[in-house]
Amino acid sequence: GENVEQHPSTLSVQEGDSAVIKCTYSDSASNYFPWYKQELGKGPQLIIDIRSNVGEKKDQRIAVTLNKTAKHFSLHITETQPEDSAVYFCAAEGTGNQFYFGTGTSLTVIP
Amino acid sequence: GAGVSQSPSNKVTEKGKDVELRCDPISGHTALYWYRQSLGQGLEFLIYFQGNSAPDKSGLPSDRFSAERTGGSVSTLTIQRTQQEDSAVYLCASVLYNEQFFGPGTRLTVL
Repeated sequence: GENVEQHPSTLSVQEGDSAVIKCTYSDSASNYFPWYKQELGKGPQLIIDIRSNVGEKKDQRIAVTLNKTAKHFSLHITETQPEDSAVYFCAAEGTGNQFYFGTGTSLTVIP
Repeated sequence: GAGVSQSPSNKVTEKGKDVELRCDPISGHTALYWYRQSLGQGLEFLIYFQGNSAPDKSGLPSDRFSAERTGGSVSTLTIQRTQQEDSAVYLCASVLYNEQFFGPGTRLTVL
Protein backbone atom coordinates (compact mmCIF):
# COMPACT_ATOMS: atom_id res chain seq x y z
CA GLY A 1 0.00 0.00 0.00
CA GLU A 2 0.87 3.67 -0.02
CA ASN A 3 3.39 5.10 2.47
CA VAL A 4 3.53 8.85 3.07
CA GLU A 5 6.41 10.47 4.95
CA GLN A 6 6.33 14.08 6.11
CA HIS A 7 9.13 16.38 7.27
CA PRO A 8 9.85 18.25 9.44
CA SER A 9 7.72 17.22 12.41
CA THR A 10 8.08 20.68 13.96
CA LEU A 11 8.87 24.01 12.35
CA SER A 12 9.28 27.46 13.87
CA VAL A 13 9.53 30.56 11.70
CA GLN A 14 9.51 34.28 12.30
CA GLU A 15 6.41 36.13 11.22
CA GLY A 16 6.80 37.20 7.61
CA ASP A 17 9.20 34.40 6.70
CA SER A 18 8.34 31.43 4.50
CA ALA A 19 7.61 27.89 5.67
CA VAL A 20 8.11 24.74 3.62
CA ILE A 21 6.82 21.27 4.47
CA LYS A 22 7.78 18.25 2.40
CA CYS A 23 6.17 14.88 1.82
CA THR A 24 7.15 11.80 -0.10
CA TYR A 25 4.92 8.94 -1.22
CA SER A 26 5.57 5.45 -2.49
CA ASP A 27 2.70 4.48 -4.79
CA SER A 28 3.21 5.83 -8.29
CA ALA A 29 -0.51 5.27 -8.97
CA SER A 30 -1.49 7.99 -6.47
CA ASN A 31 -2.84 11.02 -8.29
CA TYR A 32 -4.46 13.32 -5.74
CA PHE A 33 -2.56 15.08 -2.96
CA PRO A 34 -4.43 17.27 -0.46
CA TRP A 35 -2.99 19.34 2.38
CA TYR A 36 -4.87 19.90 5.62
CA LYS A 37 -4.53 22.40 8.45
CA GLN A 38 -5.61 21.27 11.90
CA GLU A 39 -6.08 23.74 14.71
CA LEU A 40 -6.26 22.66 18.33
CA GLY A 41 -9.48 20.84 19.14
CA LYS A 42 -10.74 20.89 15.56
CA GLY A 43 -10.83 18.50 12.67
CA PRO A 44 -8.44 18.92 9.73
CA GLN A 45 -9.47 21.44 7.09
CA LEU A 46 -8.47 21.24 3.45
CA ILE A 47 -6.30 24.22 2.49
CA ILE A 48 -5.02 23.26 -0.94
CA ASP A 49 -4.77 20.20 -3.14
CA ILE A 50 -3.04 19.15 -6.33
CA ARG A 51 -3.64 16.48 -8.93
CA SER A 52 -0.97 14.57 -10.77
CA ASN A 53 -1.49 16.34 -14.08
CA VAL A 54 -0.33 19.63 -12.53
CA GLY A 55 3.13 20.57 -11.25
CA GLU A 56 2.24 23.57 -9.12
CA LYS A 57 -0.83 25.25 -7.70
CA LYS A 58 -1.10 28.56 -5.87
CA ASP A 59 -3.76 30.13 -3.70
CA GLN A 60 -2.73 33.51 -2.30
CA ARG A 61 0.05 32.84 0.24
CA ILE A 62 -0.13 29.06 -0.12
CA ALA A 63 1.36 26.98 -2.90
CA VAL A 64 1.88 23.27 -3.48
CA THR A 65 4.39 21.69 -5.84
CA LEU A 66 4.38 18.12 -7.09
CA ASN A 67 7.22 16.11 -8.58
CA LYS A 68 5.71 12.85 -9.83
CA THR A 69 9.02 11.45 -11.00
CA ALA A 70 10.60 11.83 -7.58
CA LYS A 71 7.29 11.11 -5.81
CA HIS A 72 7.37 14.12 -3.56
CA PHE A 73 5.20 17.16 -2.98
CA SER A 74 5.65 20.25 -0.87
CA LEU A 75 3.59 22.95 0.81
CA HIS A 76 4.91 26.49 0.73
CA ILE A 77 3.49 29.25 2.92
CA THR A 78 4.82 32.75 2.27
CA GLU A 79 4.58 35.85 4.48
CA THR A 80 3.62 33.71 7.44
CA GLN A 81 1.29 35.12 10.08
CA PRO A 82 0.65 33.97 13.68
CA GLU A 83 -2.72 32.55 12.61
CA ASP A 84 -0.86 30.13 10.34
CA SER A 85 0.31 28.33 13.49
CA ALA A 86 -1.28 24.86 13.43
CA VAL A 87 -0.53 21.25 12.54
CA TYR A 88 -0.34 20.58 8.80
CA PHE A 89 -0.92 17.17 7.24
CA CYS A 90 -0.19 15.98 3.74
CA ALA A 91 -2.07 13.07 2.22
CA ALA A 92 -2.07 10.92 -0.89
CA GLU A 93 -5.05 9.14 -2.34
CA GLY A 94 -4.17 5.54 -3.00
CA THR A 95 -6.18 2.83 -4.68
CA GLY A 96 -9.70 2.08 -3.53
CA ASN A 97 -10.42 5.65 -2.38
CA GLN A 98 -8.15 5.27 0.63
CA PHE A 99 -6.20 8.29 1.82
CA TYR A 100 -2.80 7.94 3.46
CA PHE A 101 -1.70 10.75 5.73
CA GLY A 102 1.68 12.00 6.83
CA THR A 103 2.39 12.26 10.55
CA GLY A 104 1.96 16.02 10.60
CA THR A 105 4.09 19.16 10.98
CA SER A 106 3.52 21.46 13.92
CA LEU A 107 4.14 24.98 12.60
CA THR A 108 4.74 27.85 15.00
CA VAL A 109 4.90 31.39 13.66
CA ILE A 110 6.70 33.65 16.10
CA PRO A 111 5.37 37.23 16.16
CA GLY B 1 -24.29 25.88 6.12
CA ALA B 2 -24.00 23.11 8.66
CA GLY B 3 -20.79 21.15 8.63
CA VAL B 4 -20.03 17.66 9.82
CA SER B 5 -20.97 17.09 13.44
CA GLN B 6 -19.81 14.37 15.78
CA SER B 7 -21.03 13.30 19.18
CA PRO B 8 -20.07 13.06 21.89
CA SER B 9 -17.15 15.48 21.73
CA ASN B 10 -15.50 13.68 24.63
CA LYS B 11 -16.05 10.19 25.96
CA VAL B 12 -14.40 8.64 29.00
CA THR B 13 -15.06 4.97 29.53
CA GLU B 14 -13.76 2.07 31.53
CA LYS B 15 -11.79 -0.72 29.96
CA GLY B 16 -14.07 -3.48 28.73
CA LYS B 17 -17.11 -1.28 28.11
CA ASP B 18 -18.66 -0.71 24.67
CA VAL B 19 -18.84 2.77 23.14
CA GLU B 20 -20.77 4.25 20.23
CA LEU B 21 -19.55 7.30 18.35
CA ARG B 22 -21.84 9.20 16.03
CA CYS B 23 -21.19 11.18 12.85
CA ASP B 24 -23.71 13.42 11.09
CA PRO B 25 -22.31 14.17 7.63
CA ILE B 26 -23.15 17.07 5.36
CA SER B 27 -26.45 16.50 3.62
CA GLY B 28 -26.01 15.26 0.07
CA HIS B 29 -22.49 13.94 0.54
CA THR B 30 -22.52 10.31 -0.55
CA ALA B 31 -19.22 9.13 0.88
CA LEU B 32 -18.00 9.01 4.46
CA TYR B 33 -14.72 8.08 6.15
CA TRP B 34 -13.80 7.23 9.72
CA TYR B 35 -10.24 7.83 10.92
CA ARG B 36 -8.39 7.40 14.18
CA GLN B 37 -5.84 10.00 15.27
CA SER B 38 -3.50 9.07 18.09
CA LEU B 39 -1.46 11.72 19.89
CA GLY B 40 1.21 13.14 17.61
CA GLN B 41 0.29 10.82 14.77
CA GLY B 42 -1.33 11.19 11.41
CA LEU B 43 -4.77 9.96 10.58
CA GLU B 44 -5.25 6.21 10.41
CA PHE B 45 -7.92 5.04 7.96
CA LEU B 46 -10.61 2.86 9.55
CA ILE B 47 -13.57 2.48 7.19
CA TYR B 48 -15.08 4.04 4.06
CA PHE B 49 -18.72 4.19 2.96
CA GLN B 50 -19.72 5.10 -0.59
CA GLY B 51 -23.39 5.28 -1.48
CA ASN B 52 -25.03 1.87 -1.36
CA SER B 53 -21.81 -0.04 -2.01
CA ALA B 54 -20.36 -2.45 0.52
CA PRO B 55 -18.12 -0.47 2.88
CA ASP B 56 -14.33 -0.78 2.74
CA LYS B 57 -13.55 -2.12 6.21
CA SER B 58 -9.92 -2.89 5.54
CA GLY B 59 -8.66 -0.33 8.07
CA LEU B 60 -10.55 -1.62 11.10
CA PRO B 61 -7.86 -2.75 13.57
CA SER B 62 -9.79 -5.66 15.09
CA ASP B 63 -13.19 -7.32 15.14
CA ARG B 64 -14.04 -5.20 18.20
CA PHE B 65 -14.54 -2.30 15.78
CA SER B 66 -17.60 -1.99 13.55
CA ALA B 67 -19.44 0.79 11.79
CA GLU B 68 -22.67 1.29 10.00
CA ARG B 69 -24.27 4.03 7.99
CA THR B 70 -28.03 4.17 8.12
CA GLY B 71 -30.04 5.54 5.20
CA GLY B 72 -26.86 6.77 3.54
CA SER B 73 -26.52 9.52 6.14
CA VAL B 74 -25.73 9.19 9.85
CA SER B 75 -22.91 6.82 10.73
CA THR B 76 -22.00 5.17 14.01
CA LEU B 77 -18.66 3.64 14.93
CA THR B 78 -18.91 1.03 17.67
CA ILE B 79 -15.99 -0.22 19.72
CA GLN B 80 -16.72 -3.26 21.85
CA ARG B 81 -14.79 -4.28 24.95
CA THR B 82 -12.66 -1.13 24.81
CA GLN B 83 -8.95 -1.33 25.56
CA GLN B 84 -6.59 1.44 26.71
CA GLU B 85 -4.89 1.44 23.30
CA ASP B 86 -8.23 2.51 21.78
CA SER B 87 -7.76 5.93 23.39
CA ALA B 88 -7.53 8.44 20.53
CA VAL B 89 -9.49 11.06 18.65
CA TYR B 90 -11.94 9.52 16.19
CA LEU B 91 -12.66 11.69 13.17
CA CYS B 92 -15.23 11.31 10.47
CA ALA B 93 -15.27 13.08 7.13
CA SER B 94 -17.98 13.40 4.52
CA VAL B 95 -16.87 13.66 0.94
CA LEU B 96 -17.83 15.66 -2.11
CA TYR B 97 -15.75 15.32 -5.30
CA ASN B 98 -12.68 13.95 -3.46
CA GLU B 99 -12.72 16.80 -0.93
CA GLN B 100 -13.09 15.58 2.64
CA PHE B 101 -14.92 17.72 5.17
CA PHE B 102 -13.94 16.69 8.67
CA GLY B 103 -15.95 16.84 11.83
CA PRO B 104 -14.39 18.07 15.09
CA GLY B 105 -13.80 14.52 16.32
CA THR B 106 -14.64 12.52 19.41
CA ARG B 107 -11.85 12.25 21.99
CA LEU B 108 -12.10 8.77 23.51
CA THR B 109 -10.29 8.00 26.75
CA VAL B 110 -10.29 4.44 28.03
CA LEU B 111 -9.30 4.18 31.68
